[in-house]
Amino acid sequence: AAGVIQSPRHLIKEKRETATLKCYPIPRHDTVYWYQQGPGQDPQFLISFYEKMQSDKGSIPDRFSAQQFSDYHSELNMSSLELGDSALYFCASSLVGRGGETQYFGPGTRLLVL
Amino acid sequence: GNSVTQMEGPVTLSEEAFLTINCTYTATGYPSLFWYVQYPGEGLQLLLKATKADDKGSNKGFEATYRKETTSFHLEKGSVQVSDSAVYFCALRRQGNRDDKIIFGKGTRLHILP
Repeated sequence: AAGVIQSPRHLIKEKRETATLKCYPIPRHDTVYWYQQGPGQDPQFLISFYEKMQSDKGSIPDRFSAQQFSDYHSELNMSSLELGDSALYFCASSLVGRGGETQYFGPGTRLLVL
Repeated sequence: GNSVTQMEGPVTLSEEAFLTINCTYTATGYPSLFWYVQYPGEGLQLLLKATKADDKGSNKGFEATYRKETTSFHLEKGSVQVSDSAVYFCALRRQGNRDDKIIFGKGTRLHILP
């Protein structure tokens, strides 16, 4: 079965640079979620989109922005990167419109800021 | 607010031992409860879930029962294998809003010795 796809899988950036992470949900899923997992930490919710509209916002820094496109893929844009942004970034998707509630996670993008 | 508390690790067991990882939650209403597993270097995988009181989720020999009276969702397995070595996250999601974020516990690292 198709799973959530994230790209790139690994990313190395310098401080103050910009990064864009991409997420392709499971086909026909209408909701995308972004989570950040710091080293040895639990995943923390950043932001979510339902039918291309932002549906919830968590502890996402103002330097980060995200959107969901017409094909339901989502991008997380991160600017002015800081050392503390080094983490594993997960995307998850679900089919909310059909009553589905289970969130299926992608493999994550590991971001290292030097 | 909503939160999840799970036993701290690491937990080290011998192969074929019985496993229990304790998890309790605080939530308004009746949340959906989940166990996710993260194998070394990999993403989050849904292990099992339960959506109402007394439901039992099970998968791959793991079980957890939704106990409303004790607000618990302890993970158990009768006979662990080396391949079960991973980090296990207990998590909840509020009912009523299907696109709501998942709140994770801090994770419990499990080591199984051959």
